[in-house]
Amino acid sequence: DQQVKQNSPSLSVQEGRISILNCDYTNSMFDYFLWYKKYPAEGPTFLISISSIKDKNEDGRFTVFLNKSAKHLSLHIVPSQPGDSAVYFCAASGEYGNKLVFGAGTILRVKS
Amino acid sequence: DAGVIQSPRHEVTEMGQEVTLRCKPISGHNSLFWYRQTMMRGLELLIYFNNNVPIDDSGMPEDRFSAKMPNASFSTLKIQPSEPRDSAVYFCASSRGINTEAFFGQGTRLTVV
Repeated sequence: DQQVKQNSPSLSVQEGRISILNCDYTNSMFDYFLWYKKYPAEGPTFLISISSIKDKNEDGRFTVFLNKSAKHLSLHIVPSQPGDSAVYFCAASGEYGNKLVFGAGTILRVKS
Repeated sequence: DAGVIQSPRHEVTEMGQEVTLRCKPISGHNSLFWYRQTMMRGLELLIYFNNNVPIDDSGMPEDRFSAKMPNASFSTLKIQPSEPRDSAVYFCASSRGINTEAFFGQGTRLTVV
C-alpha cells in the first residue's frame, strides 16, 4: 500500500516555463514533507522541505505548496532549466519518528 | 564530511550466493535507512534504524534479507541466498533526527545472474 503517490510518471516542459510536480499522501500522521532530485547513477539529493504547520515554502526557483485537507503537495520550479531534468521524488515522515517514505518518482524533462 | 559512503558501488553475483552491502553514515546522524530503487515502487524503504536499533523492518521483502547496525558508524544489508529478482540499486541514507532531511549514499547496483 503506497502511502505517498506520484501519479505522473513523467513530465515534459519547455525551458523557461513553470514545472509543476504533484504528490498525494494517504497517512494523516505525516507532518513533514520533502522533495528530492535524482540524477542517473547518483543518490537522491535533498531539494526542499515543508512542515505541516506551513502551506508554502520557497527557496530560489523552487516552491513547495502543501494542502493538508486534500493531502496534496506540489513542487513548482520557475523558471525551468535544462539542468533540472532529473527524477523528482516526494517523501513524507511523521508516522514513526523520522521514518521517511518515498513516492515512485516523476521524470522531469526540460527541453531547450 | 565525506557524506554517506556505500560499498561496493557495483556487485555482480550468481544466484544463490550471499551478498553483503555496506554503509557508513554521516558522523553524528542517529537515523539510518536502507532503500531499494525499483521502477514500480520508486524508493522502497526496507529498514530503518534509530540509535543503532531497528525500528521498522516491515519493508524487508523476505527472510533472505537481513540488516545490522553494530555501531553508529556502520551498517550492513545482507541477502542470502540472492535471487535474480533482487537485482536493483540499493541506497543507504542517514539523518540527524526528526523533521530533518536524509542524506543518501551513491548506491550499490546489485546484479544477480
